[in-house]
Amino acid sequence: DVVMTQSPLSLPVTLGQPASISCTCSQSLLHSDGNTYLNWFQQRPGQSPRRLIYKVSTRDSGVPDRFSGSGSGTDFTLKISRVEAEDIGVYYCMQGTHWPWAFGPGTRVEIK
Amino acid sequence: EVQLVESGGGLVQPGGSLRLSCAASGFSFRDSWMHWVRQAPGKGLEWVSRMRGDGGRMHYADSVKGRFTISRDNARNTLYLTMNSLRAEDTAVYYCAKDHYGFNSLDYWGQGTLVTVSS
Repeated sequence: DVVMTQSPLSLPVTLGQPASISCTCSQSLLHSDGNTYLNWFQQRPGQSPRRLIYKVSTRDSGVPDRFSGSGSGTDFTLKISRVEAEDIGVYYCMQGTHWPWAFGPGTRVEIK
Repeated sequence: EVQLVESGGGLVQPGGSLRLSCAASGFSFRDSWMHWVRQAPGKGLEWVSRMRGDGGRMHYADSVKGRFTISRDNARNTLYLTMNSLRAEDTAVYYCAKDHYGFNSLDYWGQGTLVTVSS
């Protein structure tokens, strides 16, 4: 099975400053169909997960453009250009290329 | 508007059984793969099971295989998870989630229902 790792696991941030989360997979996420199925989810305190990004870099409707995803193969990054208070929570990457799908351990973003 | 509403959680003794439900609306349920994902208290997300829209195919995580059964009633737009031989490590919030077909992703999640396995 694919193993997902994230770093850092805890990320203290200053409001208005950028933040970056890395996600690394034990196998390439390039699917035989040519697509790379890497997703990012945000879970605010006390809420359900919400998808932010799919297929590496496609933002969901309503997701602010300060969120961006990038990467290929086994290494991916979620960037927040300027952190706002509503961005506090845990961020998970999830791969959908190999069965079974798997989530990373999560990165907790908190105010410094 | 897509809505997923889970119910059926509660306190159950080890070895016991429980059936969770997920009422869906706002999309073509019968055409959608549906998933269950769980989250133990203070922990990360774990995919549990999925079922094709017509109910003809299903998959399970190794951790629940042989104990949990996913099913659906397309006439009632409802997804189920029947959990048997429950263990303490099954304690979690259980979310149902809609498959984003063609994108190998989960685009909508319910609010979750808490299952606590304890004596």
